Amino acid sequence: GENVEQHPSTLSVQEGDSAVIKCTYSDSASNYFPWYKQELGKRPQLIIDIRSNVGEKKDQRIAVTLNKTAKHFSLHITETQPEDSAVYFCAAHLGGADGLTFGKGTHLIIQP
Amino acid sequence: ETGVTQSPTHLIKTRGQQVTLRCSSQSGHNTVSWYQQALGQGPQFIFQYYREEENGRGNFPPRFSGLQFPNYSSELNVNALELDDSALYLCASSLDSGGNVFGPGTRLLVL
Repeated sequence: GENVEQHPSTLSVQEGDSAVIKCTYSDSASNYFPWYKQELGKRPQLIIDIRSNVGEKKDQRIAVTLNKTAKHFSLHITETQPEDSAVYFCAAHLGGADGLTFGKGTHLIIQP
Repeated sequence: ETGVTQSPTHLIKTRGQQVTLRCSSQSGHNTVSWYQQALGQGPQFIFQYYREEENGRGNFPPRFSGLQFPNYSSELNVNALELDDSALYLCASSLDSGGNVFGPGTRLLVL
């Protein structure tokens, strides 16, 4: 089955700086890659996603890039703010009835 | 538009007991999936229901079972509870192969 590796496990950045979280996946048939933000004690919330026919997608301060050849995708957050502090999960989807395979998460800490 | 809701929010059971967790899908969504999230880990896929049939399953034993009803609400049943079943159980709904919207989860503690 699919396997998703996520790095780093913890990322601390100064407020206003950029943050980058990287994920790799194992199954080249995966075609959908969402990113979720989970605050302590709350549900995962979809913040951005990308499909395999697109190389990059941007939504305000958040962007995701996908390299199908290398089987990796990354989340980029610019101009970080205190409210960006949370655990971020990447996921990969093979499609159909297969569920999402999640990475282990990155705890993003924004230092004031 | 109504989001995904789950009940109960918290539950304490003892080893060997059975539990039923409930989920109401987001309005307009026809697919529901269940995930188990252990502390400090990413969610793990349990199974997916579409048109009241289980059509996908992760690496979970048969004592994890489910139902989906005509109104797209769903149940997760776990028999013979084990200590390792303690986790946050998340329900997610989607429309066909679209993005998953997660519910707030049910936190289960098995003693």
